[in-house]
Amino acid sequence: DSGVTQTPKHLITATGQRVTLRCSPRSGDLSVYWYQQSLDQGLQFLIQYYNGEERAKGNILERFSAQQFPDLHSELNLSSLELGDSALYFCASSASGRVDNEQFFGPGTRLTVL
Amino acid sequence: DQQVKQNSPSLSVQEGRISILNCDYTNSMFDYFLWYKKYPAEGPTFLISISSIKDKNEDGRFTVFLNKSAKHLSLHIVPSQPGDSAVYFCAAEAGNNRKLIWGLGTSLAVNP
Repeated sequence: DSGVTQTPKHLITATGQRVTLRCSPRSGDLSVYWYQQSLDQGLQFLIQYYNGEERAKGNILERFSAQQFPDLHSELNLSSLELGDSALYFCASSASGRVDNEQFFGPGTRLTVL
Repeated sequence: DQQVKQNSPSLSVQEGRISILNCDYTNSMFDYFLWYKKYPAEGPTFLISISSIKDKNEDGRFTVFLNKSAKHLSLHIVPSQPGDSAVYFCAAEAGNNRKLIWGLGTSLAVNP
């Protein structure tokens, strides 16, 4: 158990809909990362937050947005969903914002868009 | 364009033998490399890392070798155990820009 929790575990929705994925980091970790893993794809970095502020941005679509709240939990919002958005979405946390600081991953949310 | 490449999607070895997982990269600015292991239905877990100022880092049964001139790194697992069966991801970072670039992973099967 990494100490990072993600809800829900599974999500099935239709094209055009909007969903919110939630992540609670390990106790004390200030940094939260979001990743997408599609079929036959490696992990794609989406976005990083550190203590409530956006720190780094990766291949995140404009239809996607994220935020980190004062209690350090984070939400990833996916809107106008398309079939290609079906993927595993991982959240990770680390103590600091440095990339050489070990990232601890949650179990992921599997999103299926029908 | 895949900047971090794990060209072998899968690898099978016998228990007790050496497992060698390879990773190639194209960006010469990468200066920090990590290996993560992933079991089914779980998130990746950190295994070992290496800075570009080193050419080897060892942690128990796991050793990572870095060849900067060849832009190649490898993870050696000796001896391999059935519990090592997992997907192994190589990741790289350039100049503390805080973005990890990940390979597609290699699925390792260690057979008893």
